[in-house]
Formats: sequence, structure tokens, C-alpha cells
Amino acid sequence: DTGVSQNPRHKITKRGQNVTFRCDPISEHNRLYWYRQTLGQGPEFLTYFQNEAQLEKSRLLSDRFSAERPKGSFSTLEIQRTEQGDSAMYLCASASGQGVYEQYFGPGTRLTVT
Amino acid sequence: GENVEQHPSTLSVQEGDSAVIKCTYSDSASNYFPWYKQELGKRPQLIIDIRSNVGEKKDQRIAVTLNKTAKHFSLHITETQPEDSAVYFCAATTSGTYKYIFGTGTRLKVLA
Repeated sequence: DTGVSQNPRHKITKRGQNVTFRCDPISEHNRLYWYRQTLGQGPEFLTYFQNEAQLEKSRLLSDRFSAERPKGSFSTLEIQRTEQGDSAMYLCASASGQGVYEQYFGPGTRLTVT
Repeated sequence: GENVEQHPSTLSVQEGDSAVIKCTYSDSASNYFPWYKQELGKRPQLIIDIRSNVGEKKDQRIAVTLNKTAKHFSLHITETQPEDSAVYFCAATTSGTYKYIFGTGTRLKVLA
């Protein structure tokens, strides 16, 4: 499968624990996005990387959230001290080059905080 | 701030009828408008898109129209089939980061 992949697909954690998700974009895609989707809503933008540089962060991304893309390939999203309000589907998308608008989404990681 | 409104939130049609979903965007700099289909438990899949220099685009049973002056764009599905049942999201974006601002989604049910 040459599409965007995300791991794990499901994560159940207790409130206060830290979690980390991974996204592997389509190879050669230099743009990578994280979105969060809650039930019945459209995805909301969280953050954007061009290669290894994090160029934009939404104000939705509190200090408990951090994202990295150390070598410009895969990316990780960490949530520290999880809260029940963090329960959502976390989607990753990738895109290639400047002037290319189409984003390809991964299957998402569903986080449940109990 | 940037905002995309989408209507209706749910839509039921008889098989073979047409379905129309409408979106309005707030950022006049938006220049690309994709539509995604998301089936239950699956990733969003791009089904059609339109750029701001085009007023209409068609791909078989699916078409999208754009009115830049009114900041409206719409998805039209003709001859609907049960497999068209899903949640549809519109989005808008601008040059630069190309981040998507999504609508809240429309749950389409095609009744056999």
C-alpha cells in the first residue's frame, strides 16, 4: 500500500497518560498535515509541516500537544496529560510540492480517553 | 476567521434522484475547493475539486459549481445509487500552507 499510513489505528488511554501517534506520508510528499475530527464534525486543522519545518500551528493545538517531523519523512503527534476532550479521530494528510492542492488522507488514529 | 458553512447536515434521496450539497466560505482569498467522501470508519477520499478560475467541473455523475462573487460552491450528484451513501465534506483553501478549512459535513442517504 503506497498511501498514507497511520499507527496505531486505535488507542484507548486513561486520563493523564501520554500518547504518541505516527504518520507515514506518501513517499516524496514534502507537505504533511495533522487534523482532528470529532463525531459529526469536519476535520479541523492542527498543524502543517513542509519537509521537517513546522510552519503553522492552530490555536487548537494547546501546549500539551507537540508534533515533529525530524527527517522530513514520517511525523509524530504527542499528547501529554490526556483529557477526555482529546477523544477524537486524528487524521494525517500529505501533499506534494508547491502549487499542488490535493491532500491524501490516512485512515486516522481513533483516540479514546477514559 | 476562516469559516466554511455546509448545508444540509442530512439529506435523504430516492435512488436515481439528484442530490445537491451547498457550501459557503468566508475567506475571499480561497482558491481551491475539494469535496471529500467519507464512509463509516474510513479515510476521507477526494471525489472532485475545483479551482477559483473555473466555474464548473464535471466527472461522470458528479459536478461542482463555484460562484466566487457569492462565495458559494455546490456538489451535485445525479442518478444517485445506494453506494453514494456516505458523509460528504466540502473544504476551502488558499495558497501558502494550503491547509483545508472543512465544512461540518452532510450525511447523504440514498434509499433503494
